[in-house]
Amino acid sequence: EPEVTQTPSHQVTQMGQEVILHCVPISNHLYFYWYRQILGQKVEFLVSFYNNEISEKSEIFDDQFSVERPDGSNFTLKIRSTKLEDSAMYFCASSERRTNPGQGGSGYTFGSGTRLTVV
Amino acid sequence: GQSLEQPSEVTAVEGAIVQINCTYQTSGFYGLSWYQQHDGGAPTFLSYNALDGLEETGRFSSFLSRSDSYGYLLLQELQMKDSASYFCAVCPPYNQGGKLIFGQGTELSVKP
Repeated sequence: EPEVTQTPSHQVTQMGQEVILHCVPISNHLYFYWYRQILGQKVEFLVSFYNNEISEKSEIFDDQFSVERPDGSNFTLKIRSTKLEDSAMYFCASSERRTNPGQGGSGYTFGSGTRLTVV
Repeated sequence: GQSLEQPSEVTAVEGAIVQINCTYQTSGFYGLSWYQQHDGGAPTFLSYNALDGLEETGRFSSFLSRSDSYGYLLLQELQMKDSASYFCAVCPPYNQGGKLIFGQGTELSVKP
């Protein structure tokens, strides 16, 4: 079964440092997403990406965040200057089509996440 | 905007049936989905309702009533491995990005 792969699984960083989280989406998928989940809370949408540009972003996704698809396989999330409140699990997801990602059959698949701890 | 409410915790015994409710306030959406998450791992898709009524997938069923702004996930013949967090989610209409809006999640504990 195709998977969305995220690395690293855990990342500890000092406040103010830059971090880059890596994702390899499923190869034939065209739509890419980042979500985050603060411990014990709900999964929150950060950003969606299609055709090499951001499609939509949430209010959480401020100027400290950026996304890139540097080559044909990777999709990265960069946090420029981390804050304590950025500590969370970050999930990458991809889907093969845009229409209603909540529906089975769209192939909407989440990765296993990167646990980011800012100290 | 969209908001979805779920009970924070539910406890049941092995072999039993449990229902996890989701009430929502939203200006509209394509359908209601349910995701399972074990120990903070990847959310995995369980079920989806585009229309009112019941959808059945093995031991799991999901129900939607748009007129009541309400849905639920029904888990039958509970097994220990069903202990997990369960999230309802909607995809807002007209959005360009295909995002999902999740509820707060319900932690299900299955006891022997």
